[in-house]
Amino acid sequence: NAGVTQTPKFQVLKTGQSMTLQCAQDMNHEYMSWYRQDPGMGLRLIHYSVGAGITDQGEVPNGYNVSRSTTEDFPLRLLSAAPSQTSVYFCASSPFGGADEQYFGPGTRLTVT
Amino acid sequence: GIQVEQSPPDLILQEGANSTLRCNFSDSVNNLQWFHQNPWGQLINLFYIPSGTKQNGRLSATTVATERYSLLYISSSQTTDSGVYFCAVEGRGRRALTFGSGTRLQVQP
Repeated sequence: NAGVTQTPKFQVLKTGQSMTLQCAQDMNHEYMSWYRQDPGMGLRLIHYSVGAGITDQGEVPNGYNVSRSTTEDFPLRLLSAAPSQTSVYFCASSPFGGADEQYFGPGTRLTVT
Repeated sequence: GIQVEQSPPDLILQEGANSTLRCNFSDSVNNLQWFHQNPWGQLINLFYIPSGTKQNGRLSATTVATERYSLLYISSSQTTDSGVYFCAVEGRGRRALTFGSGTRLQVQP
């Protein structure tokens, strides 16, 4: 049982490039979400999904797309990277997302130059 | 949206000392979790505690939901306790966590 996994661990992009951050969980959790953490701050919600085929926006969704075609995977796409998207990205999952304990992946550190 | 305030923002302790971290929130919550972010950036679940008291070794937590606060107690602190402690809550009607700004703890030998 690997829990929540994220790839890559580190990534450097140039402004305007696109990429996908991968997130997978093997706990059969319905709820998955993406957060970003900027230096010296707490985490802020980007997008979340309450089940396969269902996604919704969080607090800071601009510049990011998500899809949920399977229960296990929840990729985050940066459409046209900007320096303001330099951050550490965390994926999380929980059984149902309502009043459930959430489990976090190890994070992806992204730098946009 | 719900507001989460943590105090103190920074704390320096000598090894062996005890400490109390506080989390205040502005509305009713379905969920409250405490996390430790270690110096390598990993988020470690400490407690899932929307109400009541829990203990795990040297750490314990209490949430008084009616008064909208939670406390994290660290006893006999060790250098490995260093890092940032986050409180995160899930407000009623939302299915996502709102994080506080954290308490940065440094335990000196």
